[in-house]
Amino acid sequence: GENVEQHPSTLSVQEGDSAVIKCTYSDSASNYFPWYKQELGKRPQLIIDIRSNVGEKKDQRIAVTLNKTAKHFSLHITETQPEDSAVYFCAASISGQAGTALIFGKGTTLSVSS
Amino acid sequence: EAQVTQNPRYLITVTGKKLTVTCSQNMNHEYMSWYRQDPGLGLRQIYYSMNVEVTDKGDVPEGYKVSRKEKRNFPLILESPSPNQTSLYFCASSLGTGNSYEQYFGPGTRLTVT
Repeated sequence: GENVEQHPSTLSVQEGDSAVIKCTYSDSASNYFPWYKQELGKRPQLIIDIRSNVGEKKDQRIAVTLNKTAKHFSLHITETQPEDSAVYFCAASISGQAGTALIFGKGTTLSVSS
Repeated sequence: EAQVTQNPRYLITVTGKKLTVTCSQNMNHEYMSWYRQDPGLGLRQIYYSMNVEVTDKGDVPEGYKVSRKEKRNFPLILESPSPNQTSLYFCASSLGTGNSYEQYFGPGTRLTVT
C-alpha cells in the first residue's frame, strides 16, 4: 500500500540551531502535505501544510518545501527554541472510496537543548 | 467552544468484552477519522468518513467497526477486543476532505486490553 517515510526518527539540536525533517511519499497522486506537532501527552496539532501546486511555504520560523518530481517534502525550523521540543509528523493525502485520507509518517522526536 | 470530544479518556478492559469509544464534534465538519498511535509506529488510520453513512477503511481496520449515523458523531466499536488493540486512540475531524483542511484531533483515549 501507499506509505510515507520520515527521517530522522530522533533529532537533537542546540537552541538557536536549525532543524530539518524529511519525508518521502509513494503515491504520485498525493497533493496535500501537512505537518503536525505533538507535545508530550497532548494531541497532534497542525503547524503548517503545503499543496502540490506550491514549492515552498513559510510561517515565521517554520518552512516546508516540496519536490513533487522526487516525491519528497521537508520541514525546516530555524532558530530553534526549547518549546519546539516535540514529536513532529508529516503526512500525505491519498484517495479512497469515501474521499481522501491522510497517511502519516512514523514521527520525529525533536529535542532542543538550551 | 469548537472542539472534538472523546469518551472515555481512559479504559482498561478484558479480552472479548465489546466496547465503544465515542467521538463527537461541534464544528459541523463533514470529515471524521479514527487513528491509533503506538510507539515507533506513528499515527495509523483505522477508518474515516466523508459524511453521514459514508465510511472507508484506513490502514489498520481489522478488529474495528465504525458508524456515521449523524454528522457530529463517529463512534469506534471494538466487538471483541484483543491485547494487540491496546493503544492510544485519536478521533479527528475536518471541514472537508482530508486533502485540503486541517484535521482537529480529540484529546485521545488510552485503551488497555488485558
